[in-house]
Amino acid sequence: GENVEQHPSTLSVQEGDSAVIKCTYSDSASNYFPWYKQELGKGPQLIIDIRSNVGEKKDQRIAVTLNKTAKHFSLHITETQPEDSAVYFCAASLDSGGGADGLTFGKGTHLIIQP
Amino acid sequence: GAGVSQTPSNKVTEKGKYVELRCDPISGHTALYWYRQSLGQGPEFLIYFQGTGAADDSGLPNDRFFAVRPEGSVSTLKIQRTERGDSAVYLCASSADRGHEAFFGQGTRLTVV
Repeated sequence: GENVEQHPSTLSVQEGDSAVIKCTYSDSASNYFPWYKQELGKGPQLIIDIRSNVGEKKDQRIAVTLNKTAKHFSLHITETQPEDSAVYFCAASLDSGGGADGLTFGKGTHLIIQP
Repeated sequence: GAGVSQTPSNKVTEKGKYVELRCDPISGHTALYWYRQSLGQGPEFLIYFQGTGAADDSGLPNDRFFAVRPEGSVSTLKIQRTERGDSAVYLCASSADRGHEAFFGQGTRLTVV
């Protein structure tokens, strides 16, 4: 089955700086890659996703890049703010339909924004 | 309510007991998903419903786990003969249809003692 590795497990950055979280996946057939943000005591919230026919996608301060050849994808957050502090998860699935069917998640990155 | 509702929010049960966890999806959402999240880990897929039927149950770990969605709305995750290793947060999500953004509930924290 699919295996998703995520790094780093903890990331501390100064407010206003950029943060980058990286993930690799094992199954070359995977074609849907969402990123979720999880705040303490809450369920994960989708923040951005990318499908395998696209190399990069951006939404305001958040961007995701995908390298299918290397089987890795990354989340980039620019101009970080205190409210960006949370645990971020990458995920992959075999079905480009989206949704949450059969997602394989990474172990998460605890992002800490230092004021 | 506007979001996915899960009850109870916390459940403590003794090893060997049977438990039921309930999920109320967003009204009108046809797709419903169950995930399990252990401490310090990412969510782990359990089962996906499209309407009343289980479209993908490949994530259920063994036959002690079962889920139903008889009317295509509320779903119940049932765990028989609970084990300490079943302790986790059980998350439910729903989406308007397959391929649409999924919204997660806050989860049920299950502790087996």
